[in-house]
Amino acid sequence: SQQGEEDPQALSIQEGENATMNCSYKTSINNLQWYRQNSGRGLVHLILIRSNEREKHSGRLRVTLDTSKKSSSLLITASRAADTASYFCATVSDSNYQLIWGAGTKLIIKP
Amino acid sequence: SAVISQKPSRDICQRGTSLTIQCQVDSQVTMMFWYRQQPGQSLTLIATANQGSEATYESGFVIDKFPISRPNLTFSTLTVSNMSPEDSSIYLCSVAPGTSNYGYTFGSGTRLTVV
Repeated sequence: SQQGEEDPQALSIQEGENATMNCSYKTSINNLQWYRQNSGRGLVHLILIRSNEREKHSGRLRVTLDTSKKSSSLLITASRAADTASYFCATVSDSNYQLIWGAGTKLIIKP
Repeated sequence: SAVISQKPSRDICQRGTSLTIQCQVDSQVTMMFWYRQQPGQSLTLIATANQGSEATYESGFVIDKFPISRPNLTFSTLTVSNMSPEDSSIYLCSVAPGTSNYGYTFGSGTRLTVV
């Protein structure tokens, strides 16, 4: 159930800076989703972008999708200490409901 | 979106014993998923559990080791049987949304340590 790659594996930035994480996948998709996980707890859904969309915004989050390159990016603007977490991308295909996961990016926001 | 109550949140167990993890959903859902997450790693799907049918297990996971119950549309259990230290992990349940326009919901996870 894991086919994607994310980079960077870890990212440490100062509070107030922007954080960008990238995700690549291998097969055709119906949609791509981003999740946040705090300290090994449950995952929280952040944003979903469909295969026919190129960009989507939600608050301080901006997601882009390039289906020709099979890649996506998540931008968190004006980062806060509370954004410290692991971020995962996951794709869903047209053929089944299984989530295919990226490897994750561990984000640390330094106060 | 659905809300999932997952229990226990953590446990420390002796090798050779079994632990049953429960997930209760506040609404009826068709598809439930069980994952394992090793420390610092991504999620690995153990099985898909649909009500009224046998769970479908992924490669590397077998029913004897990870029996799953799905008695109705709001509840499921995963048992980790005959545990060894290699089973120490976080176990998560998840449900799919009703349509493809929404994200999946996850339980808060069970942190299992086998000693």
